[in-house]
Amino acid sequence: DIVMTQSPDSLAVSLGERATINCKSSQSVLYSSNNKNYLTWYQQKPGQPPKLLIYWASTRESGVPDRFSGSGSGTDFTLTISSLQAEDVAVYYCQQFRAFGQGTKVEIK
Amino acid sequence: EVQLVESGGGLVQPGGSLRLSCAASGFTSSNYWMSWVRQAPGKGLEWVANIKGDGSEKYYGDSVKGRFTISRDNAKNSLYLQMNSLRAEDTAVYYCARDNIAVAVGRLDYFDDWGQGTLVTVSS
Repeated sequence: DIVMTQSPDSLAVSLGERATINCKSSQSVLYSSNNKNYLTWYQQKPGQPPKLLIYWASTRESGVPDRFSGSGSGTDFTLTISSLQAEDVAVYYCQQFRAFGQGTKVEIK
Repeated sequence: EVQLVESGGGLVQPGGSLRLSCAASGFTSSNYWMSWVRQAPGKGLEWVANIKGDGSEKYYGDSVKGRFTISRDNAKNSLYLQMNSLRAEDTAVYYCARDNIAVAVGRLDYFDDWGQGTLVTVSS
């Protein structure tokens, strides 16, 4: 079974500063046939369902602010919030196939 | 606009049964695989089951296999989850989600829309 591991479990960042979340897959998510990494990021705010942020490792969903970016390939991926805003306080999850990471809680320092 | 609205959650005793429903609108549901994803209180996300658009294929997570059954009625634009032999560890918010399939590899890619969820509590 695929295992997704995120780090850290939580982080506190000052407003306007950069937040970085890592996700590691137990097996490669890169498909050589089309050179796509099937790695997805979601944002979940308290009391709300998850919201699709980034798919194919680096493609932002429509309407997602460009301060959110995804990078990585193969088994190691990163979600970066370039300038943290108050509304970005949430738990962030990575996902590959049917497996989710455990989540990373982002708070304001 | 895509809308997914879950219903049917509630309090049930261990060993009991419950049937969840998800009403879909804003898209042709028969064209899409659909999933149930759950989240225990204060915990992360766990994929539960999914079903092909025409209902011909169904898959389950190991923790629910043999106890839960996913189904759909495309004439009613509805998705269902029949949950039997419920356990305390099944306590969670259950979300209905629309699957986006990676055509090139023939499997689940990501979930592009989610309902608000319905809470199932298994307790005596």
